[in-house]
Amino acid sequence: EVQLVESGGGLVQPGRSLKLSCAASGFTFSNYGMHWIRQAPTKGLEWVASISPSGGSTYYRDSVKGRFTISRDNAKSTLYLQMDSLRSEDTATYYCATDFHGTGIPGYWGQGVMVTVSS
Amino acid sequence: EIVLTQSPTTMAASPGEKVTLNCLASSSVSYMNWYQQKSGASPKLWIYGTSNLASGVPNRFSGSGSGTSYSLTISSMEAEDVATYYCLQLSSYPWTFGGGTKLELK
Repeated sequence: EVQLVESGGGLVQPGRSLKLSCAASGFTFSNYGMHWIRQAPTKGLEWVASISPSGGSTYYRDSVKGRFTISRDNAKSTLYLQMDSLRSEDTATYYCATDFHGTGIPGYWGQGVMVTVSS
Repeated sequence: EIVLTQSPTTMAASPGEKVTLNCLASSSVSYMNWYQQKSGASPKLWIYGTSNLASGVPNRFSGSGSGTSYSLTISSMEAEDVATYYCLQLSSYPWTFGGGTKLELK
C-alpha cells in the first residue's frame, strides 16, 4: 500500500524558512515523479512543484520560483520542500503526491501538513 | 497559464438524479483529470486521462470531453458522492486546477 507522510509544518514568521519532508513507502520511490500541491484554508488546490524520478528535473510555479526548492533522497525514500522567504500567501496545507502508475498524474496523496506564515 | 473554469460552483442533487460537472479550459488540453475531495480529507484521483476511472471508483461515474471542454457525469447521485470535485490539466506548466464544484445532497 502506498503511504506518504508529510512532516515539518508549523507557524513561521514572514521572511523565514521551513523545510517540509514526505516519507514514502509501499512503492519503489526512485521510479516515480513526485509533487507538492497546496491548499490555502477554505480555498482550492494549487500545484507548487514537481521533481523527476532521478531528481534531475524540477518544475515550479512562478510564485515560488527562486524561493522554494524541491528535492529528493531516493536512498531514504523521502521528498523535501525547502521554503525560504515565506510570505503570508504561502499559508496552506501542503500535500505531497506521487505519480499514478507512472503516468505523471498525481495519483496518491499524503494527509497533508499545515504551514502558517504569520507574525 | 491555462485557466480551468468549473461550473457550477455549487450544486445540490437528489438521490438518483443525473449530475454533470463541467470544466472549461482557456486553451486546448490533451486530456483532463478529476479529483474528489471530501471534507477534511486529502484529494483522491477519481478520473484520469479524461475517461478512465481510478481504482475503486463506482461505475456510475464517467468522464468525457476534448479540446477545451470536459465533464464528469454521475449517472445516479448517491449520498456518498457528496464532495468537492476538481479538474486538473497537465498539458503545460504550470499545472492548473479548476476552482472546484461543491456537490451537495438535496
